[in-house]
Amino acid sequence: DTAVSQTPKYLVTQMGNDKSIKCEQNLGHDTMYWYKQDSKKFLKIMFSYNNKELIINETVPNRFSPKSPDKAHLNLHINSLELGDSAVYFCASSQFSLTGDQETQYFGPGTRLLVL
Amino acid sequence: DQQVKQNSPSLSVQEGRISILNCDYTNSMFDYFLWYKKYPAEGPTFLISISSIKDKNEDGRFTVFLNKSAKHLSLHIVPSQPGDSAVYFCAASFTSGTYKYIFGTGTRLKVLA
Repeated sequence: DTAVSQTPKYLVTQMGNDKSIKCEQNLGHDTMYWYKQDSKKFLKIMFSYNNKELIINETVPNRFSPKSPDKAHLNLHINSLELGDSAVYFCASSQFSLTGDQETQYFGPGTRLLVL
Repeated sequence: DQQVKQNSPSLSVQEGRISILNCDYTNSMFDYFLWYKKYPAEGPTFLISISSIKDKNEDGRFTVFLNKSAKHLSLHIVPSQPGDSAVYFCAASFTSGTYKYIFGTGTRLKVLA
């Protein structure tokens, strides 16, 4: 009964390849996020979708393309992988409250990407 | 430009004693703060939060204090237990308008038995 799940957990690939990471949440939330944790341990938001609509896009190279087929899924596709893309990628979800208040974000276990 | 800072990368505390983890922020517009706990190879897990209208929030062994004038928050764990050993991240956000969390770099807490 995992709340936020990601696949794969580990991903090792060559530079220049295209890869996808999938995220699914079963919490009934309407907002999902992708975060990147780099080698310096900074955890930074990349994208956010609310009801399948992009609401946050943080200066991320356009090689990264999120796709939300429905509000329970947010996938991340990365084209032409570079060495600097090596990081841990976390998916998260939350529920937008009717009062417009912030709701707690729940994180997935992370996907460890290593680009060789 | 790191808007949320955790200046202590690590902290060791004896079991049963108090653990105090600190966090500073620079943006006075932040009005919602959270602490997350992270075990190795797992995602961050929500621990406790505080709105800027409060200066203290308590949940069991965990208490978060907010000092808005100093732009400082702290997490107190009393008593500390070996299972509390993890990396603790503080995060800041806004209650409306955006769903973005700004995270600190984390403090690794080790509770010694």
